[in-house]
Amino acid sequence: RKEVEQDPGPFNVPEGATVAFNCTYSNSASQSFFWYRQDCRKEPKLLMSVYSSGNEDGRFTAQLNRASQYISLLIRDSKLSDSATYLCVVNFYSSNTGKLIFGQGTTLQVKP
Amino acid sequence: DTGVSQNPRHKITKRGQNVTFRCDPISEHNRLYWYRQTLGQGPEFLTYFQNEAQLEKSRLLSDRFSAERPKGSFSTLEIQRTEQGDSAMYLCASSLATSLVLGTIYFGEGSWLTVV
Repeated sequence: RKEVEQDPGPFNVPEGATVAFNCTYSNSASQSFFWYRQDCRKEPKLLMSVYSSGNEDGRFTAQLNRASQYISLLIRDSKLSDSATYLCVVNFYSSNTGKLIFGQGTTLQVKP
Repeated sequence: DTGVSQNPRHKITKRGQNVTFRCDPISEHNRLYWYRQTLGQGPEFLTYFQNEAQLEKSRLLSDRFSAERPKGSFSTLEIQRTEQGDSAMYLCASSLATSLVLGTIYFGEGSWLTVV
């Protein structure tokens, strides 16, 4: 089983749609959680952190369910510019050690 | 440009040849990471350094792979006797150790390797 699993998609949605991505992680000792965005043939960049209480950044909402080891990302009012691959990322260790583990990514294509 | 710099950006090599990639991290960052990414997959962790010490290596990093960070600044990743399965994008990233909890690692643009 992969340490971080995502539905690869692709998700094809019209502009203005709401879309949700899910992610599960295997290690219950995981400490911190993130969503990264990766444009085609570019490097990944941090989109947002995911907090236990859930958090929002504009049109983006991230949620974490530690009991189910589940993370989600909701994008409202999709824009053409949201087309990218969204990577679920987990840090299994404490803040002073370890590394980020990436899921395989979920591809989003927003159509006009 | 003060971001993470990688070179060469593209490398085509024949099977069996050795290749070396270089990464120059953001200057004040003490952590440096190497990841590998193939088409349709997320970045896979290979190894990381804190200053000059290599603290962890993935089992993906076979004996043909070696990474160094001799002075705690730039790093090199060498692949010996390349195989077609080594074809991938090799990503370098850097961070402050204290910022990992924030998920703020900064990637370079990657080095694309094609083994023919």
